[in-house]
Amino acid sequence: GDSVTQTEGLVTLTEGLPVMLNCTYQTIYSNPFLFWYVQHLNESPRLLLKSFTDNKRTEHQGFHATLHKSSSSFHLQKSSAQLSDSALYYCALISSGSWQLIFGSGTQLTVMP
Amino acid sequence: GPKVLQIPSHQIIDMGQMVTLNCDPVSNHLYFYWYKQILGQQMEFLVNFYNGKVMEKSKLFKDQFSVERPDGSYFTLKIQPTALEDSAVYFCASSSLQGQFYAEQFFGPGTRLTVL
Repeated sequence: GDSVTQTEGLVTLTEGLPVMLNCTYQTIYSNPFLFWYVQHLNESPRLLLKSFTDNKRTEHQGFHATLHKSSSSFHLQKSSAQLSDSALYYCALISSGSWQLIFGSGTQLTVMP
Repeated sequence: GPKVLQIPSHQIIDMGQMVTLNCDPVSNHLYFYWYKQILGQQMEFLVNFYNGKVMEKSKLFKDQFSVERPDGSYFTLKIQPTALEDSAVYFCASSSLQGQFYAEQFFGPGTRLTVL
C-alpha cells in the first residue's frame, strides 16, 4: 500500500541555520498529492505546503518544497531557521482517487537560540 | 483562519462502554474525516464522510465504529463497545468541495480517549 517515510524523528539546530526535513513516499499512482502539515505544541495540525506538480517549487511562510516524482521525494526546506519554527512536521500523501491523507511518522524540529 | 472544534478534549471510559466524540467542522465545509493517532505513532485515516454517507474507510474503522452528522449538528464518531486498543487521540478534519482530493483538510485539536 501507499506509504510516507520521514527518516528523522528529531532534528535540533541553531537559529539561523538552514532547515531540511526529508520526505519520501511510495505509491502505485502516477499523480499523487503531497502535503506538509505543521503542528505546534497544543495546537491543531495545519497545512504548510502542498503540491502535485512535478519539479515545481512551492513556497509558503519561508518554507519551500519541490515534488520530484523521479525520486519520490518532497523534502521541506527553509534557508534560515527561526525559534518559532519549533514544531512537529508531518509529510502526507493523497493518492489519486482517494480522500485519505497518509501521514509519515513526523519530524520534531527544535530550534535553539 | 477556519477552525475545527472537538468536544471533549479528554475522555476516560471503561472498556465495553459506549463513547461519542464530537466535532464541529468549518461551517461551509462538506467533507468530514476522522483520524486516529496512538501515542508515539503516526496519524492514521479512519473514515471520510460526505452528503450523509461514508465515502471511504480504512481497516481501522471497525464494525464497532459509526459516524453521522444530523443536519446542523456535530459530526460524531461513536464507538460501541470500546476496547483497550481504542485508546488514542482522535482528530477530526473537514474540507470544502473545491479541489476535492486536493482541498486542504482543516484539523481540530484532537480528543484524547483513554479506555481503562
